[in-house]
Amino acid sequence: QVQVVQSGAEVKKPGSSVKVSCKPSGGTFSITTIGWVRQAPGQGLEWMGGINTIFGTAKYTQKFQGRVTISADKSTKTAYLDLSSLTSEDTAIYYCATERAGFFEYWGQGTLVSVSS
Amino acid sequence: QSVLTQPPSVSAAPGQKVTISCSASNFNIENNFVSWYQQFPGTAPKLLMYENNKRPLGIPDRFSGSKSGTSATLVITGLQTGDEADYYCGTWDSSLSGNWVFGGGTKLTVL
Repeated sequence: QVQVVQSGAEVKKPGSSVKVSCKPSGGTFSITTIGWVRQAPGQGLEWMGGINTIFGTAKYTQKFQGRVTISADKSTKTAYLDLSSLTSEDTAIYYCATERAGFFEYWGQGTLVSVSS
Repeated sequence: QSVLTQPPSVSAAPGQKVTISCSASNFNIENNFVSWYQQFPGTAPKLLMYENNKRPLGIPDRFSGSKSGTSATLVITGLQTGDEADYYCGTWDSSLSGNWVFGGGTKLTVL
């Protein structure tokens, strides 16, 4: 059984950046695609992007292009989401999930990012 | 913009059946699999259905999925109070930009 553990909650100032980590265990990291999905308070799920951990290639939704970087460290089997130029509208729970062809299989517990002055 | 439309809410009594629709607009889902996710308040989403109609281990057969044309459907029979949650459909939009798309979510209330 794969477990996905994310880093803890963050409180950030507007204009700053946040980096969230995601570490799957119990599976084979090297054949996993990791996706990042966020959920604003009271809202639905929004895909931000993902990374193929074999090739290290990342893909992002256009909305976040230029502000988001998704990376993966094979040595520590950890994926990262880096979001810059934060505004209050980025206040949300950020989830990572292992992605198989066509679905998100195992989800992390979520990381609350609060942006406030 | 690619959109998956779900009813905001559905409700039914315990033991009854409920259907949640997921309709695609502005993109083609006919050649892509749809998955469904169940989310209880304050918890992460959980995979409920994949490849349109396959259940992960541990998901009871009260839950079933289907897809036809540009719509997918989740059916829950023998409703239990513990099924009360938000349900999301999702699929990959393989058009120009290539994005994952989620429906807006449906809140299931078991009366």
